[in-house]
Amino acid sequence: GEDVEQSLFLSVREGDSSVINCTYTDSSSTYLYWYKQEPGAGLQLLTYIFSNMDMKQDQRLTVLLNKKDKHLSLRIADTQTGDSAIYFCAETVGSSNTGKLIFGQGTTLQVKP
Amino acid sequence: NAGVTQTPKFRVLKTGQSMTLLCAQDMNHEYMYWYRQDPGMGLRLIHYSVGEGTTAKGEVPDGYNVSRLKKQNFLLGLESAAPSQTSVYFCASSYSKEVAKNIQYFGAGTRLSVL
Repeated sequence: GEDVEQSLFLSVREGDSSVINCTYTDSSSTYLYWYKQEPGAGLQLLTYIFSNMDMKQDQRLTVLLNKKDKHLSLRIADTQTGDSAIYFCAETVGSSNTGKLIFGQGTTLQVKP
Repeated sequence: NAGVTQTPKFRVLKTGQSMTLLCAQDMNHEYMYWYRQDPGMGLRLIHYSVGEGTTAKGEVPDGYNVSRLKKQNFLLGLESAAPSQTSVYFCASSYSKEVAKNIQYFGAGTRLSVL
């Protein structure tokens, strides 16, 4: 079945770049997503990439997609303490028409001043 | 525009008690979802609905029931709570249109403890 894997924890210094990695299994996923969860809150969409793209940039965020290796990454430039959160990678469920997503375990990003 | 609202925010139950979690959205979304979040396991889909009057099982449906009698509301029921159902529960909703159907909007969560 579909599966999404992420490392659980990443710690960086303020001002450094953060790279959060994700691997997925369903090669038919149309879109791949990054969601952010701040403490005590629900998830919020951060960005997404269409499966026929290799890269997408949005201000400090860069998403890289390697379809051959089924690897997705999220780079945050100039990481700030406000970026401390849990980041979830998610893929669509194949050709499903239900909007369902499969989420990874989430990567906790700790930003030290 | 409140988005997705979940009630209650916190609840403590004793084993065997029942309760209903309410999710309400004011965005006229067709799709709605219930997830549970446990440490190190990400979000797991319990049940979902693709429209008023329809429901379907997700990844971990056992011990839960749902109803979607009105388009804006999605209820999650626990008939006989068990300690294994201690978790944080999230509701989400999305449009059914192609590009947007996977962009899910989440509520703030319900923290449930079953003793």
